[in-house]
Amino acid sequence: GEDVEQSLFLSVREGDSSVINCTYTDSSSTYLYWYKQEPGAGLQLLTYIFSNMDMKQDQRLTVLLNKKDKHLSLRIADTQTGDSAIYFCAERVTDSWGKLQFGAGTQVVVTP
Amino acid sequence: SAVISQKPSRDICQRGTSLTIQCQVDSQVTMMFWYRQQPGQSLTLIATANQGSEATYESGFVIDKFPISRPNLTFSTLTVSNMSPEDSSIYLCSVVSGDGDNEQFFGPGTRLTVL
Repeated sequence: GEDVEQSLFLSVREGDSSVINCTYTDSSSTYLYWYKQEPGAGLQLLTYIFSNMDMKQDQRLTVLLNKKDKHLSLRIADTQTGDSAIYFCAERVTDSWGKLQFGAGTQVVVTP
Repeated sequence: SAVISQKPSRDICQRGTSLTIQCQVDSQVTMMFWYRQQPGQSLTLIATANQGSEATYESGFVIDKFPISRPNLTFSTLTVSNMSPEDSSIYLCSVVSGDGDNEQFFGPGTRLTVL
């Protein structure tokens, strides 16, 4: 199967770290992505990781990949109110360029 | 990164009519993709649009309902035909670009409401 699962909701205090988790089932996935969607807006590509890596850091964002457990996480350091959004993880379907299997999205709410 | 624009940004349409959505990219790309995001849902791929060939549709989507054009490497259209309220969704254009075509970008989306 090609299911991607995420928790639906995360509440975090401003200044704390957020960790959003995702599991996927396609063991041959090559790339995994994180997108941010603010209300009424399209999808913003935040970061992505190749499956032969186990970590990628980009400013406040850290992606961890555990390929054995098919688990992906996105950590946002020093979370700000502007980070409030829905975060989608997605895996590239094997041999299907441009076809991404998305999770349901995690609503992140940042409180002062 | 690729910059993608879509027109219209939103529309309200009557049942039985058709709407054509345009997607423009600021650079030439080989493949363009059309996704749908139903209310409160995640994204689903409708079809892949390559220049010079017929679009390739995913299971559950057909050309008669969602005809696609791809006249050049920077532009594509998606038509939602004979609309019903179940077609109310956000329709997003997407391209792969940059870093060995491993970055995938999305347009701002077209929010369609069918009455």
